[in-house]
Amino acid sequence: NAGVTQTPKFRILKIGQSMTLQCAQDMNHNYMYWYRQDPGMGLKLIYYSVGAGITDKGEVPNGYNVSRSTTEDFPLRLELAAPSQTSVYFCASSSLGGGLDTQYFGPGTRLTVL
Amino acid sequence: KQEVTQIPAALSVPEGENLVLNCSFTDSAIYNLQWFRQDPGKGLTSLLLIQSSQREQTSGRLNASLDKSSGRSTLYIAASQPGDSATYLCAVAPAGGTSYGKLTFGQGTILTVHP
Repeated sequence: NAGVTQTPKFRILKIGQSMTLQCAQDMNHNYMYWYRQDPGMGLKLIYYSVGAGITDKGEVPNGYNVSRSTTEDFPLRLELAAPSQTSVYFCASSSLGGGLDTQYFGPGTRLTVL
Repeated sequence: KQEVTQIPAALSVPEGENLVLNCSFTDSAIYNLQWFRQDPGKGLTSLLLIQSSQREQTSGRLNASLDKSSGRSTLYIAASQPGDSATYLCAVAPAGGTSYGKLTFGQGTILTVHP
C-alpha cells in the first residue's frame, strides 16, 4: 500500500516555464488536496477535489490549474512559472471531506523557480 | 477568516522532559482540530484528531486537549525523546458550510530534543 505518491521530488524551473506535479493515491479516497508550504510557514490550500471531475479553488489558486479525471490521480499544473511559486508542494487525500477525518500526505515536491 | 497561531516557534529541551506545545485559533466554529508531525524533507503525519465535542485525545506519550470556547489546544508530550524532534503543526477544520476539508494550518513549532 503506497498511500499518496508524488513526482518529481525536486525540480528547478526557469521563469516562464510550465510543468505538472503528479499526485496519485491508492486508498480509493474521494477527496484530494494540493497545498504549498513556504519556509517557516504553515500549509496553504491551492486546490481541492471532492471526486473525479469535480475541483474547486482553495486559498491561493492563482497561477495553478488542476484536473481530476480519475479517483486516483490529481495533477497540479503550473503555467508560466514565477519566483513566487518557489515552495514545497504537498498532495493529500482523505476518505471523507469537511474535515471529518484525517488527511494523508505525500512526501512533497520541492520546486525552485529561477 | 480563521487564523491559527502556534507558540513557541521553536523549542529545545533535554531528553526526558515533559513539554507543551500551544495552538490558538480565532474562530471557534470548528469541526475538529488535528495535530501533525513533519520530519525534515518529509510530508505530514497525523498524530491526533480531536472532534469539537471532545476535550482531549491520547496516543501513547501524546495528549492533546481542546478548549473550543477559548480557541486553544495544547499538545503534551511526556518523557520526550530525541526521536520526537520534528516540526509539529496544528490545523483546524471549519464547521458547516461548503468548506470541504479546508484545513487552516498554524506555522508550526520546531521541536529539538537533545540527548
